[in-house]
Amino acid sequence: DIVMTQTPLSLSVTPGQPASISCKSSQSLLQSDGKTYLFWYLQKPGQSPQLLIYEVSNRFSGVPNRFSGSGSGTDFTLKISRVEAEDVGFYYCMQTIELPYSFGQGTKLEIK
Amino acid sequence: QFQLEESGPGLVKPSETLSLTCSVSGGSISHYHWSWIRQPPGKGLEWIGQISDSGSTNYTPSLKSRVTISMDTSKNRFSLKLSSATAADTAMYYCARFAFGVLLYWGPGMFVIVSS
Repeated sequence: DIVMTQTPLSLSVTPGQPASISCKSSQSLLQSDGKTYLFWYLQKPGQSPQLLIYEVSNRFSGVPNRFSGSGSGTDFTLKISRVEAEDVGFYYCMQTIELPYSFGQGTKLEIK
Repeated sequence: QFQLEESGPGLVKPSETLSLTCSVSGGSISHYHWSWIRQPPGKGLEWIGQISDSGSTNYTPSLKSRVTISMDTSKNRFSLKLSSATAADTAMYYCARFAFGVLLYWGPGMFVIVSS
């Protein structure tokens, strides 16, 4: 099974400052079709997870451009260029290259 | 736009079977893959399993012996059954639609407590 490891597990950020979350997978997430099956979700308080980033670096519809994803192979990063109050919640990376699908442990983002 | 909604008993006794249904609107369930995910209180997300458009299933190994996912195309819904429930199965349960390699649409979730 593929293990997804996120760091840090919590983050406290002043509004307007950047934030960065790392996600490492135990195996490469690059598929033979050329796509990398790494995704980022945000779970806001009391809500279901919502897709932010698909295939490492593509923002999903409606996601603000302050969110960006990067990485390759087994190392990935989610960056928020300027954190806003509405960004609070838990961030999860997820892989779907191989069953069973798996999530990172989650990173809690708080506002200072 | 697909909409999903979980339903079922919010309280299950230990050793009994936890049963949930995900009702889908806005499209047919016949053309996609569908998953169940759970989240114990204060913890992260755990993928439970999925059912494909052809009815084939895959489950996470740790739950495989107790889980059954099925679909009812006539009612446009799919279901989760988790047998021999214990307190460790207390969680928010989500259903979701798999599309373009990702869990794209999620239901609001249903909290299930396993307790006598």
